[in-house]
Amino acid sequence: NAGVTQTPKFRVLKTGQSMTLLCAQDMNHEYMYWYRQDPGMGLRLIHYSVGEGTTAKGEVPDGYNVSRLKKQNFLLGLESAAPSQTSVYFCASSPLSPRGADGGYTFGSGTRLTVV
Amino acid sequence: EDQVTQSPEALRLQEGESSSLNCSYTVSGLRGLFWYRQDPGKGPEFLFTLYSAGEEKEKERLKATLTKKESFLHITAPKPEDSATYLCAVRWGATNKLIFGTGTLLAVQP
Repeated sequence: NAGVTQTPKFRVLKTGQSMTLLCAQDMNHEYMYWYRQDPGMGLRLIHYSVGEGTTAKGEVPDGYNVSRLKKQNFLLGLESAAPSQTSVYFCASSPLSPRGADGGYTFGSGTRLTVV
Repeated sequence: EDQVTQSPEALRLQEGESSSLNCSYTVSGLRGLFWYRQDPGKGPEFLFTLYSAGEEKEKERLKATLTKKESFLHITAPKPEDSATYLCAVRWGATNKLIFGTGTLLAVQP
């Protein structure tokens, strides 16, 4: 089925470890996003990309890096994980045209990350 | 400050008891208001997009409406399977970024 695929689904890290979350979409969407979701805080934008080779900071970018080497993939990296990064991470994608997103932004199923 | 506020935080209904969820926003230059449904352990699932005041959209037991400052998600004769968290988000300015509210947790009891 077409959509957004996130890997891994679950991960436990020790403080200071690094990891990369992978997001892949097969809808040829231009825009891709990384959000984190915490209780009582809603979904907050970490970084986003408006096309292959581009990235930009969102609302809460500190402690994260991203790369978009291929149009279909958007990677989120944690160089030195901290307990404050314990969260559920969602990737999403949308087409270039705002009206083209009438069908909504498509979200992946999430990665639950725990940093101990 | 651009902001999206949803109320109530939680709502418990009996099956068949209609109600409404509210989403108020203070962003300028609104370029779309989105409603999503999120089930536990899953990503948000798209429901509706509204673009201008007075616009309405329906899907099964759900109806979304939009005014200049808020949107309502009306749930008519809900069923237990409508239980979920309902998220509201707005797109504004010259980007495709979304600002999300914190959601309304809806529980429909049989």
